[in-house]
Amino acid sequence: KAGVTQTPRYLIKTRGQQVTLSCSPISGHRSVSWYQQTPGQGLQFLFEYFSETQRNKGNFPGRFSGRQFSNSRSEMNVSTLELGDSALYLCASSLTPGQATDTQYFGPGTRLTVL
Amino acid sequence: SQKIEQNSEALNIQEGKTATLTCNYTNYSPAYLQWYRQDPGRGPVFLLLIRENEKEKRKERLKVTFDTTLKQSLFHITASQPADSATYLCAAGSSASKIIFGSGTRLSIRP
Repeated sequence: KAGVTQTPRYLIKTRGQQVTLSCSPISGHRSVSWYQQTPGQGLQFLFEYFSETQRNKGNFPGRFSGRQFSNSRSEMNVSTLELGDSALYLCASSLTPGQATDTQYFGPGTRLTVL
Repeated sequence: SQKIEQNSEALNIQEGKTATLTCNYTNYSPAYLQWYRQDPGRGPVFLLLIRENEKEKRKERLKVTFDTTLKQSLFHITASQPADSATYLCAAGSSASKIIFGSGTRLSIRP
């Protein structure tokens, strides 16, 4: 079974631009979560989608948005990029959200650098 | 606010010894705790899950405990090897809220 895939793997943007990252979950998984990872802040939860609906949202500004499609693939968008948005963006998929036995499977991440 | 803390940012131990990593939680009553391993440039990989009604879980050389009184989980790697060197993340979750991750402990095993 193929793992979680994220595209692109690396991205360089300049301040003020916008970016869209893509995540394809493991086949059959319907829950997708997004995280931002930086050396100073660790893994910070962005949002979680299940069956095309946002189920949970972290404490990030409205510049960060996401969506999930009917095939469970998900995208996240960051508008008006700032230098502080440079980070590794990780996507994780699971069968269903919030269940004690439900393991999250992470993708390799997209390394975003904002210049 | 809910917080997960991994007390040690880095831990260095000799090969063959037992590595013990600590995870504490505050303002939170998680239904379960998870431990992940993350290698540089890669996403975290799930290792073990322990539920609130379980005291201890084992998997090969790994052992995790969950103490709801101390609000703490301990993660042990016995007979540690250089290949165990990585960052280990603790995460807490429940059906009602999102999973919260600790900042991780960077473990180095020296030969």
